[in-house]
Amino acid sequence: KQEVTQIPAALSVPEGENLVLNCSFTDSAIYNLQWFRQDPGKGLTSLLLIQSSQREQTSGRLNASLDKSSGRSTLYIAASQPGDSATYLCAVRSDYKLSFGAGTTVTVRA
Amino acid sequence: ETGVTQTPRHLVMGMTNKKSLKCEQHLGHNAMYWYKQSAKKPLELMFVYNFKEQTENNSVPSRFSPECPNSSHLFLHLHTLQPEDSALYLCASSQGAGGNQETQYFGPGTRLLVL
Repeated sequence: KQEVTQIPAALSVPEGENLVLNCSFTDSAIYNLQWFRQDPGKGLTSLLLIQSSQREQTSGRLNASLDKSSGRSTLYIAASQPGDSATYLCAVRSDYKLSFGAGTTVTVRA
Repeated sequence: ETGVTQTPRHLVMGMTNKKSLKCEQHLGHNAMYWYKQSAKKPLELMFVYNFKEQTENNSVPSRFSPECPNSSHLFLHLHTLQPEDSALYLCASSQGAGGNQETQYFGPGTRLLVL
């Protein structure tokens, strides 16, 4: 069974600092990995999807890397802003299922 | 907005009540999902429907009863729930359910409190 872990569970940084969020998974036989953002009272919004054959994906200030062999992914958010405050979820697709981590709750202080 | 709506957004019910959660998708998708999100825990997949047929039941207690009358609507009927069932229930949809490249689109969720 795929287990996905996200560390830390919560993170607070001053505005302008770069954010580094970690995700690890136990079974390296994955098809892709996805990062989601969840705002309070709202559903999940997909940020980036990395295929198993890729090493990284970039979208604006967001960059996600994938090291499938070691079972790790990192989401980098450059020059954080208060609007980046949210919970970030990592999800791994394997065996036709999405397995989620518990998330990292980020607070960016103005 | 993702094109997936859920009602109600908040629900408080007693353990003897019967209620239903509704999900509707306006994306023309064929697969729909129910997830449970408890505090500080990962999302748990509950049910999957593909072309109105249930393709997965992830060992969910029978007090949760899903219904999918068509590809656009998904219900979760609740009866005799327990306080530990209090959680955020998320609905999602995707074009299909059989591929590993499918992207799921999530609704805003229903926050359920069982007293």
